Amino acid sequence: QVHLEQSGPEMKPPGASAKVSCKASGYIFVDFDMAWVRQAPGQGLEWVGWVSSNSDDKRYASHLQDRITLTIDSSTNTANMELRSLTSGDTAVYYCARTPRGTSTLYGHWGQGTRVSVSS
Amino acid sequence: QAVLTQPPSVSAAAGQQVTISCSGGASNVGMHFVSWYQQFPGTAPKLLIYDNSQRPSEIPDRFSGSKSGTSATLGITGLQPGDEAHYYCGTWDTGLRAGVFGGGTKVTVL
Repeated sequence: QVHLEQSGPEMKPPGASAKVSCKASGYIFVDFDMAWVRQAPGQGLEWVGWVSSNSDDKRYASHLQDRITLTIDSSTNTANMELRSLTSGDTAVYYCARTPRGTSTLYGHWGQGTRVSVSS
Repeated sequence: QAVLTQPPSVSAAAGQQVTISCSGGASNVGMHFVSWYQQFPGTAPKLLIYDNSQRPSEIPDRFSGSKSGTSATLGITGLQPGDEAHYYCGTWDTGLRAGVFGGGTKVTVL
């Protein structure tokens, strides 16, 4: 069965970087793209970005595009997210989600979420 | 401030039905398929409806979706206590070149 296993929680000071990984299993990795969604405490879902399975195409939320990088490691079936210059506003649970269509929000399978906490 | 507009909360008695609206614009709901998600506290969202009205095989037919113009609607019939959750709509926005979500709706079963 499809499974997306995310890395563990991260606690970072302001200005640091956070790296979250999402290891996929149970399907042909290159057949699906990967999106990232975050959710601040007590808030709704916020779209973060999307990367195609071959890394040829990427889209980022406009207010994050200077600080975020999404990558794909097809040798390990892993999608990665790096968010730099963290502020308290980046404190959230970050989810990876598999999608057959990058330019959509059709997310049939999600990772369990990774909590990123930014505090001095 | 979410791009798509949902009511913050809806409620109904067990066995009754609720509808949740999702209002957008020409560049998002008006142009692209809408998905709906159910989320319980502390867990990842779960896909309920995709492509406006399609249900994954494991989702009961008590859940339905529709779209007209720049608005979409999620319907839940035969409301059960286990349906108490937050529900989100989402779609792509051509102008923003990004995914967008509604602010979420809390469903309460009275």
